[in-house]
Amino acid sequence: DSGVTQTPKHLITATGQRVTLRCSPRSGDLSVYWYQQSLDQGLQFLIQYYNGEERAKGNILERFSAQQFPDLHSELNLSSLELGDSALYFCASSFAGAKSYNEQFFGPGTRLTVL
Amino acid sequence: AQSVAQPEDQVNVAEGNPLTVKCTYSVSGNPYLFWYVQYPNRGLQFLLKYITGDNLVKGSYGFEAEFNKSQTSFHLKKPSALVSDSALYFCAVSPPGSSNTGKLIFGQGTTLQVKP
Repeated sequence: DSGVTQTPKHLITATGQRVTLRCSPRSGDLSVYWYQQSLDQGLQFLIQYYNGEERAKGNILERFSAQQFPDLHSELNLSSLELGDSALYFCASSFAGAKSYNEQFFGPGTRLTVL
Repeated sequence: AQSVAQPEDQVNVAEGNPLTVKCTYSVSGNPYLFWYVQYPNRGLQFLLKYITGDNLVKGSYGFEAEFNKSQTSFHLKKPSALVSDSALYFCAVSPPGSSNTGKLIFGQGTTLQVKP
């Protein structure tokens, strides 16, 4: 158990809908990262937050947004869903600062299926 | 462009034999390198990392990795494979620099199959 929790574990929805994925980092970790894992794209970095502020952006679509709250939990919002958004979404957190050499601890993921 | 390559989709090895999972990277500067393992229906677990110093890094579960700057490689190794090592292995790089604050660039993953 990494200490990172994600809810829900599974999400099935229809095209055009909007969903929210939730992540709670390990106690003491200020950085939260979101990744998407799909068969065709592999594991891709989406976005990073550090202590409530956006720190880095990756291949995140404009239909997707995220935020980190004062209690450090984070939410990833996916809207106008398309079939191609079906994937496993991981949240990860890292120790204290946002140094690039800190290992990240991954949650179990949320499997999103868009029908 | 920054990238990580894992040239083998699958590696098969007999239990008790040494294993190697290959990784090469293309990143400017001196990157930080990581190996993660993913078991079915689980999140990724950190195995080991290279930041600086000794080119041979030791990690969890008896795994080690060798950093080779001239070949831009970071191969994962284990002297004696176990059936329980069967999983999906990811190499990742964290490019240095203030604009790269820990985001990871992953390889495509290599499935390790250890047979009894």
